Amino acid sequence: QKEVEQDPGPLSVPEGAIVSLNCTYSNSAFQYFMWYRQYSRKGPELLMYTYSSGNKEDGRFTAQVDKSSKYISLFIRDSQPSDSATYLCAMSAGSGNTGKLIFGQGTTLQVKP
Amino acid sequence: GAVVSQHPSRVICKSGTSVKIECRSLDFQATTMFWYRQFPKQSLMLMATSNEGSKATYEQGVEKDKFLINHASLTLSTLTVTSAHPEDSSFYICSARDRQGLKDYGYTFGSGTRLTVV
Repeated sequence: QKEVEQDPGPLSVPEGAIVSLNCTYSNSAFQYFMWYRQYSRKGPELLMYTYSSGNKEDGRFTAQVDKSSKYISLFIRDSQPSDSATYLCAMSAGSGNTGKLIFGQGTTLQVKP
Repeated sequence: GAVVSQHPSRVICKSGTSVKIECRSLDFQATTMFWYRQFPKQSLMLMATSNEGSKATYEQGVEKDKFLINHASLTLSTLTVTSAHPEDSSFYICSARDRQGLKDYGYTFGSGTRLTVV
């Protein structure tokens, strides 16, 4: 069993739809949770960064962490064609400057005009 | 926000030669940097953790003599692929964690290096 599970998709939605992306994990030591967006042949871009459980909102993006269920989500409101990319969840147990990231497989999202 | 600069973005080399990839944190200091490898349509695989002033920590299965990592300063880490072979062709990405005092800005990634060995 992988430490972090993420449905690779692809996920196709019409423009304006609400998108829900999810990851589950097995390591209860994870405390730092991130969502990255990666366009083809580019490095991942940090979208959301949360510590422990709770919600965090930034513009059209909302990240949720439920540590009791070992489940994290990213919601994208009013999705745009420019949101089409691969979304990677990542998590870490480390503190300080160390603490390697464990990534999900990534979900490919296509937002159709 | 934090910026990590990675060069070159693309390199083609002949089999048997060595290639060096640079990763710089531009506006913050990073005592730790991470090197990843990514195959097409797959997620990032951590290769090694680069520690400033000390030896890198390699993940299981990664050949440390083939993938040489040097972290000579708080803003620069390099990955050298030695005696490259076609199977080393991949997308290599570095990242660093931006922590300034009590503020934690998370992990920032470079733009990646596409290595093609012919």
